[in-house]
Amino acid sequence: GAGVSQSPSNKVTEKGKDVELRCDPISGHTALYWYRQSLGQGLEFLIYFQGNSAPDKSGLPSDRFSAERTGGSVSTLTIQRTQQEDSAVYLCASSLRQGARENSPLHFGNGTRLTVT
Amino acid sequence: LAKTTQPISMDSYEGQEVNITCSHNNIATNDYITWYQQFPSQGPRFIIQGYKTKVTNEVASLFIPADRKSSTLSLPRVSLSDTAVYYCLGTKLGTYKYIFGTGTRLKVLA
Repeated sequence: GAGVSQSPSNKVTEKGKDVELRCDPISGHTALYWYRQSLGQGLEFLIYFQGNSAPDKSGLPSDRFSAERTGGSVSTLTIQRTQQEDSAVYLCASSLRQGARENSPLHFGNGTRLTVT
Repeated sequence: LAKTTQPISMDSYEGQEVNITCSHNNIATNDYITWYQQFPSQGPRFIIQGYKTKVTNEVASLFIPADRKSSTLSLPRVSLSDTAVYYCLGTKLGTYKYIFGTGTRLKVLA
């Protein structure tokens, strides 16, 4: 079975340009997460989707960041007017469900390495 | 969510058992302890999850004492391929916000 797929795997962009990062979760996983990881650092939570809804967007660093999920499947993270401090690995994860009685493990993709020059 | 503290780094030799301890003094009644492993250029991978006492799977064992203020991930007979960063998380049932710290960087030496 396919795991979480992210594209592109690497992206180099010029400061000020917009970028779109794509995540294909595992089929049937209703929960989807975006994290950011800077070099040598832990993971920074960005946003969570349950189905197509994002109940918590508070982790997004600024209003230049937005994310959407369609059809309860594919998600896109968009960064507008990129800055050098946006350079990081952007990781997507999905899980089967989050419920009152269980926490399904997160399944991560291998990330998109974004470099803003 | 439980705040966790774990060593920044550890070194070990091939064939040894490695124990990584995580402290979580403010763990709540419905928090679980979950461990993830991350190799370079990959996303984290779920290893094991437990609530109390001992949990064992094909990869590792997790020991959680009765007071649940700490936990220990045990990796039996490590190999060079176990070199990775290991994250300890307190995860509340039904929560979506998983807080990953900086983890423990394990280096296995030949």
